[in-house]
Amino acid sequence: QQQVKQSPQSLIVQKGGIPIINCAYENTAFDYFPWYQQFPGKGPALLIAIRPDVSEKKEGRFTISFNKSAKQFSLHIMDSQPGDSATYFCAASWYSGGGADGLTFGKGTHLIIQP
Amino acid sequence: DAGITQSPRHKVTETGTPVTLRCHQTENHRYMYWYRQDPGHGLRLIHYSYGVKDTDKGEVSDGYSVSRSKTEDFLLTLESATSSQTSVYFCAIQGYSGNTIYFGEGSWLTVV
Repeated sequence: QQQVKQSPQSLIVQKGGIPIINCAYENTAFDYFPWYQQFPGKGPALLIAIRPDVSEKKEGRFTISFNKSAKQFSLHIMDSQPGDSATYFCAASWYSGGGADGLTFGKGTHLIIQP
Repeated sequence: DAGITQSPRHKVTETGTPVTLRCHQTENHRYMYWYRQDPGHGLRLIHYSYGVKDTDKGEVSDGYSVSRSKTEDFLLTLESATSSQTSVYFCAIQGYSGNTIYFGEGSWLTVV
Protein backbone atom coordinates (compact mmCIF):
# COMPACT_ATOMS: atom_id res chain seq x y z
CA GLN A 1 0.00 0.00 0.00
CA GLN A 2 1.51 3.27 -1.15
CA GLN A 3 0.88 5.83 1.52
CA VAL A 4 2.12 8.87 -0.42
CA LYS A 5 1.25 9.17 -4.10
CA GLN A 6 3.19 11.69 -6.19
CA SER A 7 2.49 13.02 -9.67
CA PRO A 8 3.58 13.59 -12.33
CA GLN A 9 6.53 11.21 -12.73
CA SER A 10 8.26 13.66 -15.03
CA LEU A 11 7.71 17.27 -15.98
CA ILE A 12 9.23 19.62 -18.54
CA VAL A 13 8.70 23.37 -18.12
CA GLN A 14 10.11 26.38 -19.90
CA LYS A 15 12.32 28.76 -17.95
CA GLY A 16 10.18 31.21 -16.00
CA GLY A 17 7.22 28.85 -15.87
CA ILE A 18 5.66 27.46 -12.69
CA PRO A 19 6.05 23.71 -12.35
CA ILE A 20 3.55 22.14 -9.97
CA ILE A 21 4.09 18.75 -8.34
CA ASN A 22 1.28 17.09 -6.46
CA CYS A 23 1.14 14.58 -3.64
CA ALA A 24 -1.69 12.79 -1.89
CA TYR A 25 -1.50 10.87 1.33
CA GLU A 26 -3.73 8.28 2.94
CA ASN A 27 -2.77 8.17 6.59
CA THR A 28 -4.49 10.93 8.57
CA ALA A 29 -1.92 10.48 11.34
CA PHE A 30 0.70 12.16 9.14
CA ASP A 31 1.32 15.69 10.34
CA TYR A 32 4.61 16.74 8.78
CA PHE A 33 5.09 17.11 5.04
CA PRO A 34 8.54 17.95 3.64
CA TRP A 35 9.78 18.26 0.09
CA TYR A 36 13.25 17.13 -0.91
CA GLN A 37 15.33 18.10 -3.93
CA GLN A 38 17.88 15.69 -5.34
CA PHE A 39 20.55 16.31 -7.96
CA PRO A 40 22.20 13.41 -9.80
CA GLY A 41 24.79 11.64 -7.70
CA LYS A 42 23.78 13.45 -4.53
CA GLY A 43 21.63 12.72 -1.51
CA PRO A 44 18.19 14.30 -1.14
CA ALA A 45 18.25 17.74 0.45
CA LEU A 46 15.38 19.27 2.41
CA LEU A 47 13.77 22.07 0.42
CA ILE A 48 10.73 23.16 2.40
CA ALA A 49 8.28 21.58 4.85
CA ILE A 50 4.78 22.24 6.15
CA ARG A 51 2.54 21.15 8.99
CA PRO A 52 -1.24 20.88 8.53
CA ASP A 53 -2.07 23.85 10.73
CA VAL A 54 -1.28 26.16 7.77
CA SER A 55 -2.52 26.03 4.18
CA GLU A 56 0.50 27.58 2.50
CA LYS A 57 4.18 28.16 3.15
CA LYS A 58 6.65 30.08 1.03
CA GLU A 59 10.44 30.01 1.09
CA GLY A 60 11.99 32.03 -1.68
CA ARG A 61 10.67 30.76 -5.01
CA PHE A 62 9.26 27.56 -3.49
CA THR A 63 5.71 27.32 -2.14
CA ILE A 64 3.85 24.43 -0.53
CA SER A 65 0.07 24.44 -0.71
CA PHE A 66 -1.73 22.12 1.70
CA ASN A 67 -5.32 20.89 1.62
CA LYS A 68 -6.04 18.91 4.78
CA SER A 69 -9.60 17.89 3.87
CA ALA A 70 -8.46 16.50 0.52
CA LYS A 71 -5.28 15.01 2.03
CA GLN A 72 -3.23 16.63 -0.70
CA PHE A 73 -0.25 18.95 -0.87
CA SER A 74 1.70 20.43 -3.73
CA LEU A 75 4.97 22.17 -4.53
CA HIS A 76 5.07 25.22 -6.79
CA ILE A 77 8.31 26.67 -8.10
CA MET A 78 8.00 30.31 -9.13
CA ASP A 79 10.14 31.78 -11.92
CA SER A 80 11.73 28.39 -12.53
CA GLN A 81 15.35 28.25 -13.66
CA PRO A 82 17.43 25.57 -15.41
CA GLY A 83 19.28 25.11 -12.12
CA ASP A 84 16.02 23.85 -10.59
CA SER A 85 16.22 20.78 -12.83
CA ALA A 86 16.32 17.90 -10.38
CA THR A 87 14.23 15.12 -8.91
CA TYR A 88 11.75 16.23 -6.28
CA PHE A 89 10.29 14.00 -3.59
CA CYS A 90 7.39 14.67 -1.29
CA ALA A 91 7.28 12.87 2.04
CA ALA A 92 5.26 12.54 5.21
CA SER A 93 5.75 11.54 8.81
CA TRP A 94 4.30 11.79 12.28
CA TYR A 95 5.72 15.05 13.64
CA SER A 96 4.04 14.63 16.97
CA GLY A 97 5.74 11.25 17.32
CA GLY A 98 9.10 12.88 16.89
CA GLY A 99 9.47 11.35 13.45
CA ALA A 100 11.57 8.61 14.94
CA ASP A 101 10.29 6.01 12.51
CA GLY A 102 11.31 8.06 9.52
CA LEU A 103 9.69 9.52 6.44
CA THR A 104 7.40 7.88 3.90
CA PHE A 105 8.29 9.14 0.43
CA GLY A 106 6.49 9.58 -2.83
CA LYS A 107 8.13 8.03 -5.88
CA GLY A 108 9.60 11.28 -7.14
CA THR A 109 9.19 13.73 -10.02
CA HIS A 110 11.96 14.29 -12.53
CA LEU A 111 11.77 17.99 -13.39
CA ILE A 112 13.50 19.57 -16.36
CA ILE A 113 13.51 23.33 -16.83
CA GLN A 114 14.33 24.19 -20.42
CA PRO A 115 16.28 27.42 -21.12
CA ASP B 1 25.86 18.36 5.29
CA ALA B 2 24.90 17.33 8.86
CA GLY B 3 28.24 15.57 9.30
CA ILE B 4 27.22 12.28 7.68
CA THR B 5 29.82 10.09 6.01
CA GLN B 6 28.95 6.91 4.16
CA SER B 7 31.44 4.21 3.18
CA PRO B 8 32.10 2.74 0.80
CA ARG B 9 30.66 5.15 -1.73
CA HIS B 10 30.79 2.59 -4.54
CA LYS B 11 31.01 -1.18 -4.37
CA VAL B 12 30.61 -4.08 -6.75
CA THR B 13 30.14 -7.47 -5.15
CA GLU B 14 29.16 -10.97 -6.14
CA THR B 15 25.89 -12.69 -5.38
CA GLY B 16 26.02 -14.53 -2.08
CA THR B 17 28.76 -12.48 -0.49
CA PRO B 18 28.24 -10.45 2.69
CA VAL B 19 28.39 -6.68 2.43
CA THR B 20 28.50 -4.03 5.15
CA LEU B 21 27.82 -0.37 4.57
CA ARG B 22 28.86 2.13 7.20
CA CYS B 23 27.27 5.39 8.21
CA HIS B 24 29.22 7.71 10.47
CA GLN B 25 27.90 10.91 12.00
CA THR B 26 29.80 13.51 13.95
CA GLU B 27 27.01 15.41 15.72
CA ASN B 28 25.67 12.94 18.28
CA HIS B 29 22.21 12.58 16.73
CA ARG B 30 19.97 9.99 18.34
CA TYR B 31 17.98 8.85 15.30
CA MET B 32 19.62 7.29 12.26
CA TYR B 33 18.10 5.64 9.19
CA TRP B 34 18.98 3.51 6.20
CA TYR B 35 17.01 4.01 2.99
CA ARG B 36 17.36 2.48 -0.44
CA GLN B 37 16.55 4.31 -3.64
CA ASP B 38 15.43 2.55 -6.79
CA PRO B 39 13.96 3.91 -10.03
CA GLY B 40 10.19 3.98 -9.83
CA HIS B 41 10.16 3.35 -6.09
CA GLY B 42 11.55 6.52 -4.60
CA LEU B 43 13.18 6.14 -1.21
CA ARG B 44 12.17 3.27 1.03
CA LEU B 45 13.10 2.81 4.67
CA ILE B 46 15.11 -0.33 5.45
CA HIS B 47 15.90 0.00 9.15
CA TYR B 48 16.21 2.77 11.67
CA SER B 49 17.79 3.30 15.06
CA TYR B 50 16.66 5.39 18.00
CA GLY B 51 19.75 4.87 20.13
CA VAL B 52 22.69 2.61 20.82
CA LYS B 53 21.57 -0.99 20.35
CA ASP B 54 18.00 0.19 19.68
CA THR B 55 16.88 -0.55 16.14
CA ASP B 56 13.69 -1.37 14.31
CA LYS B 57 12.56 -2.56 10.90
CA GLY B 58 11.32 -0.36 8.12
CA GLU B 59 9.28 -1.06 5.02
CA VAL B 60 11.84 -3.20 3.17
CA SER B 61 13.92 -4.90 5.86
CA ASP B 62 14.02 -8.45 4.49
CA GLY B 63 17.60 -9.49 3.68
CA TYR B 64 19.13 -6.69 5.74
CA SER B 65 20.39 -6.38 9.29
CA VAL B 66 21.73 -3.39 11.18
CA SER B 67 23.81 -2.66 14.22
CA ARG B 68 24.52 0.39 16.30
CA SER B 69 27.14 -0.17 18.96
CA LYS B 70 28.14 3.50 19.15
CA THR B 71 26.06 6.65 18.74
CA GLU B 72 28.10 7.77 15.78
CA ASP B 73 28.03 4.56 13.70
CA PHE B 74 25.10 2.77 12.08
CA LEU B 75 26.00 -0.31 10.02
CA LEU B 76 23.85 -1.94 7.36
CA THR B 77 24.68 -5.56 6.51
CA LEU B 78 23.54 -7.67 3.61
CA GLU B 79 24.24 -11.17 4.91
CA SER B 80 24.13 -12.75 1.44
CA ALA B 81 23.82 -10.18 -1.31
CA THR B 82 21.34 -10.74 -4.14
CA SER B 83 20.92 -8.93 -7.44
CA SER B 84 17.67 -7.41 -6.15
CA GLN B 85 19.76 -5.53 -3.59
CA THR B 86 21.56 -3.59 -6.30
CA SER B 87 20.60 -0.07 -5.33
CA VAL B 88 21.70 3.26 -3.96
CA TYR B 89 21.73 3.25 -0.18
CA PHE B 90 21.31 6.44 1.80
CA CYS B 91 22.00 6.95 5.45
CA ALA B 92 20.09 9.72 7.20
CA ILE B 93 19.89 11.36 10.59
CA GLN B 94 17.18 13.31 12.33
CA GLY B 95 18.35 16.79 13.18
CA TYR B 96 17.74 18.68 16.35
CA SER B 97 15.04 20.87 14.80
CA GLY B 98 11.73 19.03 14.69
CA ASN B 99 11.50 16.17 12.25
CA THR B 100 14.09 17.42 9.79
CA ILE B 101 15.92 14.48 8.29
CA TYR B 102 19.29 14.95 6.58
CA PHE B 103 20.76 12.51 4.11
CA GLY B 104 24.27 11.38 3.36
CA GLU B 105 25.75 11.29 -0.11
CA GLY B 106 24.81 7.69 -0.80
CA SER B 107 26.50 4.33 -1.38
CA TRP B 108 26.14 2.77 -4.84
CA LEU B 109 26.02 -1.02 -4.54
CA THR B 110 26.02 -3.37 -7.51
CA VAL B 111 25.51 -7.10 -6.96
CA VAL B 112 26.60 -9.19 -9.96
